Amino acid sequence: QVQLQESGPGLVKPSQTLSLTCTVSGGSISSGGYYWSWIRQHPGKGLEWIGYIYYSGSTYYNPSLKSRVTISVDTSKNQFSLKLSSVTAADTAVYYCARGRSSSSVDYWGQGTLVTVSS
Amino acid sequence: QTVVTQEPSLTVSPGGTVTLTCASSTGAVTSGYYPNWFQQKPGQAPRALIYSTSNKHSWTPARFSGSLLGGKAALTLSGVQPEDEAEYYCLLYYGGAQRVVFGGGTKLTVL
Repeated sequence: QVQLQESGPGLVKPSQTLSLTCTVSGGSISSGGYYWSWIRQHPGKGLEWIGYIYYSGSTYYNPSLKSRVTISVDTSKNQFSLKLSSVTAADTAVYYCARGRSSSSVDYWGQGTLVTVSS
Repeated sequence: QTVVTQEPSLTVSPGGTVTLTCASSTGAVTSGYYPNWFQQKPGQAPRALIYSTSNKHSWTPARFSGSLLGGKAALTLSGVQPEDEAEYYCLLYYGGAQRVVFGGGTKLTVL
């Protein structure tokens, strides 16, 4: 069974870059056929799709975040990553990594990691 | 900006049936939006229930079913159990822009 685990700093200063990594186990990113997503949830709020990457490196981002987001994949480590630049308090959220069997679905989720933006 | 709308809250009695819906600001939801449904309980990550309108994951209980209803995506719970009390989110895929939008969520209370 596929498992995903987010890791990264829990506290980021305003204007800095938020960086998170998702480690995938139980399956290989390079085997292809899956889309690897980042999704966030502001405290007490709903889900917001950030973007996804295909194993080949093709990326698709939420238009509202596109100018600040980079998602990349490291197949040698079986990981994919999120970078969100110029963060503000509005970026404080639980960040989830997830897998989809297509660009239109999400099946497996990580447990989520809370990132707080504060000085 | 595309908005996906769900009922903010619904209440159902144990053993009853309830239908949650998911509407798009762009018009009628069709199978081409590949509706997904997720369940989230407090303090937990979301769990996938339904993909591509009506397809269940291997772990999805039989009492959950997905469909299209009146221009919306729908999730029906039949024979509701107390453990079904949770927040439910839908997801729609906008293929032209290759992007995903989540609904605002429905808080389901079993009472």
